[in-house]
Amino acid sequence: SQQGEEDPQALSIQEGENATMNCSYKTSINNLQWYRQNSGRGLVHLILIRSNEREKHSGRLRVTLDTSKKSSSLLITASRAADTASYFCAHGSSNTGKLIFGQGTTLQVKP
Amino acid sequence: EAGVVQSPRYKIIEKKQPVAFWCNPISGHNTLYWYLQNLGQGPELLIRYENEEAVDDSQLPKDRFSAERLKGVDSTLKIQPAELGDSAVYLCASSQGDTQYFGPGTRLTVL
Repeated sequence: SQQGEEDPQALSIQEGENATMNCSYKTSINNLQWYRQNSGRGLVHLILIRSNEREKHSGRLRVTLDTSKKSSSLLITASRAADTASYFCAHGSSNTGKLIFGQGTTLQVKP
Repeated sequence: EAGVVQSPRYKIIEKKQPVAFWCNPISGHNTLYWYLQNLGQGPELLIRYENEEAVDDSQLPKDRFSAERLKGVDSTLKIQPAELGDSAVYLCASSQGDTQYFGPGTRLTVL
């Protein structure tokens, strides 16, 4: 399977703490993206990092990409209760052009 | 700007019945995707359209699933006949570049 893997599957933290989620993939990629999904809703795009980039920031989000290890991480700083959601990484395969999603990390931020 | 619109939001049917889902993408987005999302999993691509053409339908179970995108705008995904295992959320997404924009999905329950 080309599906990526995410770690941890579930994460529970207190408001104000940082949350780190990791993602691994198996194929060559053009880019890697992170999406958020609130319960019962569609996915919302958070950030895209291209294969020639190593780090990218957007507000409280920081994404790193290590193509040699085929892995990425998403850091959410100073978490808020509203950050409670499932977070998915998705890698854009350079072979097929498809966007392949991982199984997601469920984040709970306790107020 | 309106997002991706999907209807219905929820559908409950008995097995062996037909069902159809409708999607209206973001205006100007040439690429349209249908995904299947099982509980606790990431989305899996069923079919991708570039304008009116289905460019990737390798994961679409063609014995019971069909899709169309007439005039390269709205799209319909149909299942006939539905099976118990088809219970899932069906997501539609559209894009103009690498970022995909998702609709809220249709939650299908097959009894």
